[in-house]
Amino acid sequence: GEDVEQSLFLSVREGDSSVINCTYTDSSSTYLYWYKQEPGAGLQLLTYIFSNMDMKQDQRLTVLLNKKDKHLSLRIADTQTGDSAIYFCAEAPQSGNQFYFGTGTSLTVIP
Amino acid sequence: EPEVTQTPSHQVTQMGQEVILRCVPISNHLYFYWYRQILGQKVEFLVSFYNNEISEKSEIFDDQFSVERPDGSNFTLKIRSTKLEDSAMYFCATGGRRNEQFFGPGTRLTVL
Repeated sequence: GEDVEQSLFLSVREGDSSVINCTYTDSSSTYLYWYKQEPGAGLQLLTYIFSNMDMKQDQRLTVLLNKKDKHLSLRIADTQTGDSAIYFCAEAPQSGNQFYFGTGTSLTVIP
Repeated sequence: EPEVTQTPSHQVTQMGQEVILRCVPISNHLYFYWYRQILGQKVEFLVSFYNNEISEKSEIFDDQFSVERPDGSNFTLKIRSTKLEDSAMYFCATGGRRNEQFFGPGTRLTVL
């Protein structure tokens, strides 16, 4: 089945950029997503990218997609303490309805 | 901004008991999903529901699970006879179109 992998932890200093990486296996994925989960809360959709795009920018967030290597990244510019959370990447295959999630990367922002 | 809501936020039950988890979708959404996340593990798909029927389900979604929209608004997940390993966060998601999923805050289910 589809496999989505992420590193588990990332620490950055406030004001620096954070880069969270994700790899996936399904080359037929149509959309790829980034969700944010704060403690005790649900999954908040941050951004998504269609599989025929290489890059998408939305304010402080930049998503890069390397379809050849099946690699997705989320860059957060000027990281703030409020960005501390778990970040999940997810893919939507061409067929079916379910999303496949990574393990989540716990981002800690050090003041 | 419209949100998906879920009740209860935390449910504690005895093994073998039935539980019903409730979700109120964003208005006008047509696609409904349940996922679960066992502590420390990945978010796993359970079931999708569209046009008043199950459109896809995973291996986890066996005969002890069922879903329905009893009144055309709420979307429920019933677990008939809970087991210890059913303890998890259960997330409802809804979407106005395929490939769009907005998640609720989750229900933490604890089976004792």
